[in-house]
Amino acid sequence: DARVTQTPRHKVTEMGQEVTMRCQPILGHNTVFWYRQTMMQGLELLAYFRNRAPLDDSGMPKDRFSAEMPDATLATLKIQPSEPRDSAVYFCASGLNRDYPYFGPGTRLTVL
Amino acid sequence: RKEVEQDPGPFNVPEGATVAFNCTYSNSASQSFFWYRQDCRKEPKLLMSVYSSGNEDGRFTAQLNRASQYISLLIRDSKLSDSATYLCAVATQGGKLIFGQGTELSVKP
Repeated sequence: DARVTQTPRHKVTEMGQEVTMRCQPILGHNTVFWYRQTMMQGLELLAYFRNRAPLDDSGMPKDRFSAEMPDATLATLKIQPSEPRDSAVYFCASGLNRDYPYFGPGTRLTVL
Repeated sequence: RKEVEQDPGPFNVPEGATVAFNCTYSNSASQSFFWYRQDCRKEPKLLMSVYSSGNEDGRFTAQLNRASQYISLLIRDSKLSDSATYLCAVATQGGKLIFGQGTELSVKP
């Protein structure tokens, strides 16, 4: 049963620290999305990639967030420095081309 | 104005009721449409894709109205297990997938 995996599942950190979240897309999927979910804003698209190339990262605060795909089996989302307002659940989702994506279980981030 | 808008609810309905959710989108060039279901503290999961001709999967029916730029989801004979948040998702031609805020459904005995 192919699944998107995300690590860590939970992260508690202090303001100013660097946070790195990792995602392993489903094997063979060439599209990867990063979303952030909060009660207030819902599910916001931060960035997405196809064939490892970033297609849109307009939803991401550029000064502190960065997203990369070092290879086809790994996507990373980094926050440096982290702030309390970054507390949220971060989801990675992968799909094939423009077909619907499958979501990972999410990383629950708390920044104190 | 958000690109994809939904009534956040909550919708509280008795078992056996029929409930309908609507979702509007602003980009007329949108190409693909989906409904996802999200249980509390879980990830969203695809419920169904939405096609121009409309499609049905058991008690669930999805419809697309391109002229008015909205999609709908109808749930018939609601079950307790249908309680969840329902998210509509709209994709551009390039594959950028935007979600609505989600509509919370609570089915009561």
